[in-house]
Amino acid sequence: AQSVTQPDIHITVSEGASLELRCNYSYGATPYLFWYVQSPGQGLQLLLKYFSGDTLVQGIKGFEAEFKRSQSSFNLRKPSVHWSDAAEYFCATAYSGAGSYQLTFGKGTKLSVIP
Amino acid sequence: GAGVSQSPRYKVAKRGQDVALRCDPISGHVSLFWYQQALGQGPEFLTYFQNEAQLDKSGLPSDRFFAERPEGSVSTLKIQRTQQEDSAVYLCASSSGPGQGHEKLFFGSGTQLSVL
Repeated sequence: AQSVTQPDIHITVSEGASLELRCNYSYGATPYLFWYVQSPGQGLQLLLKYFSGDTLVQGIKGFEAEFKRSQSSFNLRKPSVHWSDAAEYFCATAYSGAGSYQLTFGKGTKLSVIP
Repeated sequence: GAGVSQSPRYKVAKRGQDVALRCDPISGHVSLFWYQQALGQGPEFLTYFQNEAQLDKSGLPSDRFFAERPEGSVSTLKIQRTQQEDSAVYLCASSSGPGQGHEKLFFGSGTQLSVL
């Protein structure tokens, strides 16, 4: 069974500082990998996704993530955080085989931004 | 519509009461998903529809949970005899394709259910 681990429950960074949110997955083959953001009272919004190819993927709002097969990781990064980035971030995975459709989410990392 | 719409936004139920949660997916979207998000947790898969067919209901936690999408558009998640452990945010998502893992999902804002 797939699983996703987000080791950090809560991270606080200063505005303008760099950010890295960690995500590790457990899966026998290369899965589809996603990062979603959830602001209070809002639905989940897709930031970026990895299926294959270039291991560094660019997303919306200046975010990027790097797939590292050797570490089973898909960490999310942003070079300079804005106050509006304060939200909860979820890493998710989906089976890459035929008939796949379920997303398996991590427990999330809450990001707080200090002005 | 412009996005996935869920109603009500908040629902308070007494233990033992039946509730019905509605999801209006993006017009024309083939696939519809329900997820349950408990406090402090990530969303967990409940069930999946492709048009009106419920292709997977393996995530429904008990037979008190029932979902339908009779005309392949609006979906209703019904919970009978609610229990306190049912308290969670129920998220609906839709996609334009047949529901493969790589498709982009559009999520609604959810219905927050509190069972007293």
